[in-house]
Amino acid sequence: NAGVTQTPKFQVLKTGQSMTLQCAQDMNHNSMYWYRQDPGMGLRLIYYSASEGTTDKGEVPNGYNVSRLNKREFSLRLESAAPSQTSVYFCASKLPRSEQYFGPGTRLTVT
Amino acid sequence: QKEVEQNSGPLSVPEGAIASLNCTYSDRGSQSFFWYRQYSGKSPELIMFIYSNGDKEDGRFTAQLNKASQYVSLLIRDSQPSDSATYLCAVNTGRRALTFGSGTRLQVQP
Repeated sequence: NAGVTQTPKFQVLKTGQSMTLQCAQDMNHNSMYWYRQDPGMGLRLIYYSASEGTTDKGEVPNGYNVSRLNKREFSLRLESAAPSQTSVYFCASKLPRSEQYFGPGTRLTVT
Repeated sequence: QKEVEQNSGPLSVPEGAIASLNCTYSDRGSQSFFWYRQYSGKSPELIMFIYSNGDKEDGRFTAQLNKASQYVSLLIRDSQPSDSATYLCAVNTGRRALTFGSGTRLQVQP
């Protein structure tokens, strides 16, 4: 039981490049989330998916897109990376009225 | 006003002391409350949750909830250097995602 997995662990992009962050969970959770974490800012919600086939914007969605490919997988895409998107990205999943489980994170640097 | 507020710290306590971490929230409809611990460079991990007013104890950790005052706290007894981390308070307001505070950094001095 791997829990929540994320790939890649580290990534360096140039401004304007695109990439997709992958997330998968094997806990049969319906809800999945993407957060970014910046120093002093805490965890800020980018997008979430309450169930397969649905996605909704969170607090900071600009510059990102998501896909809920199936119940297990929820990907985050940066179409044209900007230095302001340098951050640590966490994927999480949960059951209703329960705690969230986090993946190990992706450290992204945009130069 | 932020939805979930925490003092950023650092909170410094000597080894063996009680560390007291505090969190206030703005949404009176909040239903459940979580404390996560995050070591530097790692992902958050759940250490406690509480739903009802009062105290909930788990080993060296006690969570306290006062819904009337919109206040939740975490006490760590017999603090150890391994408890040094950032502690995140999270609140379930009934929306689909937890709302997190920005965290309190705890330093336990040997």
